[in-house]
Amino acid sequence: AQSVAQPEDQVNVAEGNPLTVKCTYSVSGNPYLFWYVQYPNRGLQFLLKYITGDNLVKGSYGFEAEFNKSQTSFHLKKPSALVSDSALYFCAVRDGDTGGFKTIFGAGTRLFVKA
Amino acid sequence: GAGVSQSPSNKVTEKGKDVELRCDPISGHTALYWYRQSLGQGLEFLIYFQGNSAPDKSGLPSDRFSAERTGGSVSTLTIQRTQQEDSAVYLCASSSDSAGGSYEQYFGPGTRLTVT
Repeated sequence: AQSVAQPEDQVNVAEGNPLTVKCTYSVSGNPYLFWYVQYPNRGLQFLLKYITGDNLVKGSYGFEAEFNKSQTSFHLKKPSALVSDSALYFCAVRDGDTGGFKTIFGAGTRLFVKA
Repeated sequence: GAGVSQSPSNKVTEKGKDVELRCDPISGHTALYWYRQSLGQGLEFLIYFQGNSAPDKSGLPSDRFSAERTGGSVSTLTIQRTQQEDSAVYLCASSSDSAGGSYEQYFGPGTRLTVT
């Protein structure tokens, strides 16, 4: 069965500083990995994904994530945080080998960017 | 183009009543998902539909919950004999997993269910 861990309930960072939101996963097959963001009073939006290929993937709003198979991690990063990045971030995993579509989401990490 | 739509946006019901929540996915998306999000919490997988395959119902929390998808498009999530612990935001998402598809899910705005 798939599982996702986001070990930090909350991450605080100053505007202009780099940010990292951590995610580790467990899946028996090849992982399909995703990051989604939920802004206050808005729906969930897709940020980026890793399916295959380069371990470093780039997504919307300047975010990127690195797939690390040995550490089973997929941490979300941004070189310079903006106040507008403050939101709830979810990591998600799907087993790409089973052919199933079941996607498991982490509990979410709330990011606060202070001006 | 149109995104995923859900109705109603808010639903207040009395304990013990049945409710139906509706989801209209993006046209052409073969996969449709239902999730539940309690206040400020993560997403709990409920069920997904893919094309004509049997749905994966492994996340439904009890037999009071059921869902159907008619004609490969619109889906309805039904909760019978609602309980207060059913209060949450119910999210629907769809994705395109055909050849060359993108795999990521597109979410609707959700239905906020309150059971009094």
